[in-house]
Amino acid sequence: EVQLVQSGAEVKKPGESLKISCKGSGYSFTNYWIAWVRQMPGKGLEWMGIIYPGDSDTRYSPSFQGQVTISADKSMTTAYLQWSSLKASDTAMYYCARPLYSHGPYYYDSWGQGTLVTVSS
Amino acid sequence: AIQLTQSPSSLSASVGDRVIITCRASQGFSSGLAWYQQKPGKAPKLLIYDASSLESGVPSRFSGSGSGTDFTLTISSLQPEDFATYYCQQFNSYPHSFGQGTKLEIK
Repeated sequence: EVQLVQSGAEVKKPGESLKISCKGSGYSFTNYWIAWVRQMPGKGLEWMGIIYPGDSDTRYSPSFQGQVTISADKSMTTAYLQWSSLKASDTAMYYCARPLYSHGPYYYDSWGQGTLVTVSS
Repeated sequence: AIQLTQSPSSLSASVGDRVIITCRASQGFSSGLAWYQQKPGKAPKLLIYDASSLESGVPSRFSGSGSGTDFTLTISSLQPEDFATYYCQQFNSYPHSFGQGTKLEIK
């Protein structure tokens, strides 16, 4: 069974750093892209970026480029999303998701449970 | 970047109704479009991929169609469990943007 298990909720202060994780199991981790999606409170889904753990090829949305870093550790079968300096506006639920097929970064049929990040002074 | 605009943004309907949600793209493409359903406090669920292919396990009352700039999600006969928010997403080019969502509520 394919599973994506995300790290737990975080409460941080503005200016702090943070790295959240998404551990994949039940499939060949290096052969599938992993995407990150943001959902701010009461709002819609926003595509942040995607990484191919096999070779660390990474693509970012222009809205998030330079604001976050996406990475992956093949040995840990885990993808990461990190911030160097959080803002209150980073408060949101963050989901990781895996595409339907290994041949491309399309159509997310497996999702993590979400990680709630709260940034408040 | 391709922008997706869903209409309507919200919709009230009754059990048994036929519902159509539209997703309009700012640039045309052939089929790289998905539809998701999201219920409160849950991760999205894939319903339709390649614009018209039904994901395994999804009831056949859901269907998708379209190409170019106009795509639709149709629910042929609404069931109580279908009341949720629906999103389209394009995979034609990066960033793989989502529509703003359509909230389907009980009338």
